[in-house]
Amino acid sequence: AQSVSQHNHHVILSEAASLELGCNYSYGGTVNLFWYVQYPGQHLQLLLKYFSGDPLVKGIKGFEAEFIKSKFSFNLRKPSVQWSDTAEYFCAVSRANTGNQFYFGTGTSLTVIP
Amino acid sequence: DAGVIQSPRHEVTEMGQEVTLRCKPISGHNSLFWYRQTMMRGLELLIYFNNNVPIDDSGMPEDRFSAKMPNASFSTLKIQPSEPRDSAVYFCASRWTTNTGELFFGEGSRLTVL
Repeated sequence: AQSVSQHNHHVILSEAASLELGCNYSYGGTVNLFWYVQYPGQHLQLLLKYFSGDPLVKGIKGFEAEFIKSKFSFNLRKPSVQWSDTAEYFCAVSRANTGNQFYFGTGTSLTVIP
Repeated sequence: DAGVIQSPRHEVTEMGQEVTLRCKPISGHNSLFWYRQTMMRGLELLIYFNNNVPIDDSGMPEDRFSAKMPNASFSTLKIQPSEPRDSAVYFCASRWTTNTGELFFGEGSRLTVL
């Protein structure tokens, strides 16, 4: 069975601190990888995605993620967080060539203290 | 271009009543997903359709829940009878089924069953 693990359930950082949120998945084949963000009271929006090529993916608002195939990981990073980054972050995986199934992690709640 | 449109945005009802949530996917998308989000269980996939056909409904909690997609531009999620534990935010999402297509989410329908 597929699974997506997000190890950090709740992260609290001060502004300007660096961020890294972990994401691991269990599927051994070719995957497509996503990070979504959900700001308070809003719907999920795409931050970034990986399909192929450069394993370091840059997204919106200064976020980036690195796909490490050998570790089945797709960690999200940001060098300097802002108060406006306070949100819930979801990692998601879909299997390439059977792309309809999306598996979401349980989410990581990020609180940035001004 | 309009995004995924859901209605109603908020619904408050009494236990035992029928609830119908509606979704209009992005034009041209051929896959539609219904998710439920709660604090306790996070984001759960209820059902998804491909070309208007239900593909996987294993996430539907029980027979009180049903979903239909009569055409490519409309889907409903019905709960009959509703119970307080059904209180959640219900998200609809759509995508174009390619290897690289991400999910686009609607604003969600917040359901409160008293």
